[in-house]
Amino acid sequence: GAGVSQSPSNKVTEKGKDVELRCDPISGHTALYWYRQSLGQGLEFLIYFQGNSAPDKSGLPSDRFSAERTGGSVSTLTIQRTQQEDSAVYLCASSLDWVSTEAFFGQGTRLTVV
Amino acid sequence: AQSVSQHNHHVILSEAASLELGCNYSYGGTVNLFWYVQYPGQHLQLLLKYFSGDPLVKGIKGFEAEFIKSKFSFNLRKPSVQWSDTAEYFCAGPSVTDKLIFGTGTRLQVFP
Repeated sequence: GAGVSQSPSNKVTEKGKDVELRCDPISGHTALYWYRQSLGQGLEFLIYFQGNSAPDKSGLPSDRFSAERTGGSVSTLTIQRTQQEDSAVYLCASSLDWVSTEAFFGQGTRLTVV
Repeated sequence: AQSVSQHNHHVILSEAASLELGCNYSYGGTVNLFWYVQYPGQHLQLLLKYFSGDPLVKGIKGFEAEFIKSKFSFNLRKPSVQWSDTAEYFCAGPSVTDKLIFGTGTRLQVFP
């Protein structure tokens, strides 16, 4: 596609349930990033991929969070046993190579845990 | 640890006023710096970037930023803001692990 695509755009889930968020990066982009945007918190780095490997997972808030990327393309972010504090907008971005090139962002997935 | 700091959290201006948003970084390696903008209801998009060369870089919509190495700063400027510049602005830079890190953002409100 022409841009970074994220699905679903909105997700409401009950506390304790697992959720899976999907990101389709721009074709050919090797770097893929996940961020979390909460009100007044800016953009919190979660994890980034170079190809299928994740050189930096330091931003994942807890072991309930995991992410994978297959075929150097689609990535999924999984949150297990969701908590209310997980409510936020989850943003995915991709870039052609490494951080020196422009990152293109998706529209995000707004997650609400009730 | 590497960091990108934005000290202005909320800025309110009238149209035609001049704008300067502060950004400071702490990374000592090769510096690639960015400003991103998020208009209401839209996704983040690149405003401008600095990789090397002329420290004064120009971006879209009349924005510019100056890289001052001695001050570890990359402030964003616009001589005359418009109502349509109302948005949230994020400064970003690299870390040693090549991840892109962002400041906490500055919310700009421009009133007609």
